[in-house]
Amino acid sequence: AQTVTQSQPEMSVQEAETVTLSCTYDTSENNYYLFWYKQPPSRQMILVIRQEAYKQQNATENRFSVNFQKAAKSFSLKISDSQLGDTAMYFCAPQLPKNKIFGNEKLTFGTGTRLTIIP
Amino acid sequence: GAVVSQHPSRVICKSGTSVKIECRSLDFQATTMFWYRQFPKQSLMLMATSNEGSKATYEQGVEKDKFLINHASLTLSTLTVTSAHPEDSSFYICSASKREGDTGELFFGEGSRLTVL
Repeated sequence: AQTVTQSQPEMSVQEAETVTLSCTYDTSENNYYLFWYKQPPSRQMILVIRQEAYKQQNATENRFSVNFQKAAKSFSLKISDSQLGDTAMYFCAPQLPKNKIFGNEKLTFGTGTRLTIIP
Repeated sequence: GAVVSQHPSRVICKSGTSVKIECRSLDFQATTMFWYRQFPKQSLMLMATSNEGSKATYEQGVEKDKFLINHASLTLSTLTVTSAHPEDSSFYICSASKREGDTGELFFGEGSRLTVL
């Protein structure tokens, strides 16, 4: 079974601080995508950042960056200069397993981390 | 952009009735659409995967006769909850992947909150 573990159910940080959300997963695949999605109170799922497993360079998107350790199957999200609008549930979602018939893959979501930014 | 629209956003129905939820990709053709279910304060649980013109693939434990999925076109998939009961009350979310220029990203609808009385 494919498993995704987010070990921090809840986190809170002061505005402008940096916070890191952890994620580990299990797979036997070599090439795959990994995503972080956020779900604010509106419940709309929003893509935060995307990483391709074959790329060694960690993805960066403005204040968001990842620390991808392929061998360790770890994919943490760092949020710098946190803002009040970052308050949301954050889900780690590796695209596992591969659906070799249709050539597409489904996302397996972690349990989520509820992040609160304190003014 | 890549916009996915879900309708209705909220629905309340009586026990025993059927409810249909629509998921549309507004500005792209969706190779595949996925249906998720989310209970309060929990993660998204994949229910089924649907490809246009094919039967949906259901996850283990999901009753296919209970949750009917139709993917008649590249821009529309529907989820019908048949003979709904209070335990079916939940938040249902659809997502879609693009037919071309696939980046692996899924685009999500706004979700539909179903309440069965």
